[in-house]
Amino acid sequence: AQKVTQAQTEISVVEKEDVTLDCVYETRDTTYYLFWYKQPPSGELVFLIRRNSFDEQNEISGRYSWNFQKSTSSFNFTITASQVVDSAVYFCALSESEIQGAQKLVFGQGTRLTINP
Amino acid sequence: DVKVTQSSRYLVKRTGEKVFLECVQDMDHENMFWYRQDPGLGLRLIYFSYDVKMKEKGDIPEGYSVSREKKERFSLILESASTNQTSMYLCASSLISGLGNTIYFGEGSWLTVV
Repeated sequence: AQKVTQAQTEISVVEKEDVTLDCVYETRDTTYYLFWYKQPPSGELVFLIRRNSFDEQNEISGRYSWNFQKSTSSFNFTITASQVVDSAVYFCALSESEIQGAQKLVFGQGTRLTINP
Repeated sequence: DVKVTQSSRYLVKRTGEKVFLECVQDMDHENMFWYRQDPGLGLRLIYFSYDVKMKEKGDIPEGYSVSREKKERFSLILESASTNQTSMYLCASSLISGLGNTIYFGEGSWLTVV
């Protein structure tokens, strides 16, 4: 069965520090997608990134970067020079199965990130 | 912009009541989902629908049902609410076909059953 583990329940750092959120996944499929979502206090999950299992290139978007390593089944997320607005709960998710065209996402437990001024 | 709207942000219901949570999306998406979010458990899939009047059970369907009479609207129904259904409920939608399609979420509905 597929599984996603975010071992860090809560992280608290001071503004401008770099912070890495860990995500480890389990799957037996060779084709799958990994996602990161951000959930600010308002509650809505905001899509951040999608990565397919055949693309191990790291990605950078502004202060955000993602490191995908199939060898360790990890898809870690780093925020550089963190800001207070980055405070949120972050979810990693795995999509490996599809029923009638609808993909099923399996989510990790989430990491609550607090950036202190 | 993509928009998934959940009709109620905060609800308080009594044990045994029938509860309806409504969700509307304006993106003409075929797929719609209901998730439940609990601390330490992340999000868990309750039900999803891939077409009007079509539905599939997710991982935790017990105690819930759903209705999809129109493409843009997906309702979650708690036939007889219980205190262990106190939770945050998130509706989502996506285009048909493809593991990699992005799933878009609403803002969530906080349900308290007393």
